[in-house]
Amino acid sequence: LAKTTQPISMDSYEGQEVNITCSHNNIATNDYITWYQQFPSQGPRFIIQGYKTKVTNEVASLFIPADRKSSTLSLPRVSLSDTAVYYCLVGVNQGGKLIFGQGTELSVKP
Amino acid sequence: EPEVTQTPSHQVTQMGQEVILRCVPISNHLYFYWYRQILGQKVEFLVSFYNNEISEKSEIFDDQFSVERPDGSNFTLKIRSTKLEDSAMYFCASSANPPGLLSQNIQYFGAGTRLSVL
Repeated sequence: LAKTTQPISMDSYEGQEVNITCSHNNIATNDYITWYQQFPSQGPRFIIQGYKTKVTNEVASLFIPADRKSSTLSLPRVSLSDTAVYYCLVGVNQGGKLIFGQGTELSVKP
Repeated sequence: EPEVTQTPSHQVTQMGQEVILRCVPISNHLYFYWYRQILGQKVEFLVSFYNNEISEKSEIFDDQFSVERPDGSNFTLKIRSTKLEDSAMYFCASSANPPGLLSQNIQYFGAGTRLSVL
């Protein structure tokens, strides 16, 4: 499973676009990139998943360059309720084990 | 939107007691998982389960832990003799797709059970 590196924390203000970048230099050919969000005392919540180029859903966009060694989660016009920890995960083994790192703690201020 | 439900939301127990944490996965999902998160620490994988068998388990998942799918809807985690260090949030998750090289294996998590061992 690919090791990921992402910033420990980020600050933003309401209405801004937030971009969180994750590095995964040893991503394997068949690995997907998945982002989860976690609020305090709640379970991780799936946000978005992609393999290459760009994926967009109602919550976020995911940008993946051609070499796939990094990815960027983009949250448009954040609100206070987007304050959470965001995890970048790459790949999953045969047993289904997801490996969570420390994630990026996003704080959105008014 | 379908969701994974966990009960109870908070369980308080005495050290040495047995606890059973319950989960109802999303109805058409076939792959089930337990994770835990000690306060202020990372989410840690415990076990994955498919077709009434454990697919993979972590070092944390020792002989004190067991999982069961007693019927078509529930998935349980049992801790036989709880220790203080078992105090954590326990999350159940389920997925529709199998894990594997070409699978997207999106896992959907429940809200968790907070286990407090006194």
